[in-house]
Amino acid sequence: ETGVTQTPRHLVMGMTNKKSLKCEQHLGHNAMYWYKQSAKKPLELMFVYNFKEQTENNSVPSRFSPECPNSSHLFLHLHTLQPEDSALYLCASSQVGPNNGYGYTFGSGTRLTVV
Amino acid sequence: AQTVTQSQPEMSVQEAETVTLSCTYDTSESDYYLFWYKQPPSRQMILVIRQEAYKQQNATENRFSVNFQKAAKSFSLKISDSQLGDAAMYFCAYRSARGSQGNLIFGKGTKLSVKP
Repeated sequence: ETGVTQTPRHLVMGMTNKKSLKCEQHLGHNAMYWYKQSAKKPLELMFVYNFKEQTENNSVPSRFSPECPNSSHLFLHLHTLQPEDSALYLCASSQVGPNNGYGYTFGSGTRLTVV
Repeated sequence: AQTVTQSQPEMSVQEAETVTLSCTYDTSESDYYLFWYKQPPSRQMILVIRQEAYKQQNATENRFSVNFQKAAKSFSLKISDSQLGDAAMYFCAYRSARGSQGNLIFGKGTKLSVKP
């Protein structure tokens, strides 16, 4: 399998649940990203991992907890979410290097609904 | 900080016609990359075309081409012979050529509708 794979595709969870989103890339990239895409809002960068190290956390609430065990896998652990956290969560990977000449490769996203 | 602006929230085009989507950006850097991404209803963001800032020649990919005006900081996307499958959200994005600053910066997107 090639590209960036996200699971699950859809997720409905209650506000007291704990769940995890998974992302896997098969491209040999050294950076991975989590984005949040809400209706009528711009794409929001949540977390960035370069070489498995978190390099960016854009003021994301602590109810979102990322984990990057290796350069191919990225998780987003969710707990005690709020209804406003309902959104499409996109994972992406890229090669970060001397010239950053290439864009990101995205997964198909997880549509999260918090009830 | 760099910013990307897409001033057209929605656009519409007749099938087989040509449409141009606008994008402007702000940066103090001289070396960077620009991208157009397409997000159809299937949700996956797909890279449409990329432009290297140090190249004057406009990038072209089949029916998709760009008009890159570096001095004006403008990067528009032209879709020729529009097809129903071109209906999607289109995002313009900027990426610094400096490794440490390499996060993609997206515009807010333009929703393109294609009328049969």
